[in-house]
Amino acid sequence: AQKITQTQPGMFVQEKEAVTLDCTYDTSDQSYGLFWYKQPSSGEMIFLIYQGSYDEQNATEGRYSLNFQKARKSANLVISASQLGDSAMYFCAMREANYGGSQGNLIFGKGTKLSVKP
Amino acid sequence: DSGVTQTPKHLITATGQRVTLRCSPRSGDLSVYWYQQSLDQGLQFLIQYYNGEERAKGNILERFSAQQFPDLHSELNLSSLELGDSALYFCASSGMDRRGRGSYNEQFFGPGTRLTVL
Repeated sequence: AQKITQTQPGMFVQEKEAVTLDCTYDTSDQSYGLFWYKQPSSGEMIFLIYQGSYDEQNATEGRYSLNFQKARKSANLVISASQLGDSAMYFCAMREANYGGSQGNLIFGKGTKLSVKP
Repeated sequence: DSGVTQTPKHLITATGQRVTLRCSPRSGDLSVYWYQQSLDQGLQFLIQYYNGEERAKGNILERFSAQQFPDLHSELNLSSLELGDSALYFCASSGMDRRGRGSYNEQFFGPGTRLTVL
């Protein structure tokens, strides 16, 4: 069965520093997608970044980058130049297999609570 | 703003009652997903609909049901509510048009409905 593991329940980072949030995954599929979402205290789920299993380049979106190591089955999120507004829960997720043209659902890890210190 | 709308935002009800949560996907998105987020279970996939048809089922209780209407909005019905059903319920949508074109590598989440069962 597919599984996402986030081993860091909570992390602290100093403002303006970079931070890496860990994510490992388990799947027997060759084609899959990996996602990171941010959930601030207000509760909404904000999409950050996506990496496809066949993408050769690591995904980047502004200050977010995904360090994809396929052989290790890891998809760590790197946030550069942390800001106070980055304080939130961060969830790593994997998309399950597609069904006849539609995207599959997401399986989520338990999340990492990031706190940015001024 | 993700473009996915959910109503109501908050819902407080009593055990044994029945409630309906409503979701409108982003314009053009055919897939709708329902997720439940609770403290003990984390974020769990409940059910997916694609263009009006059920596509996949996750950890959805028999007391829960859902449907997607011709205008693509979806409703999640929760009945015989128990204290443990208190959670944040998210709807998400993703894009695949009726000709099977387009493959958005994102699932856009609505703001959620916070259900409290007393």
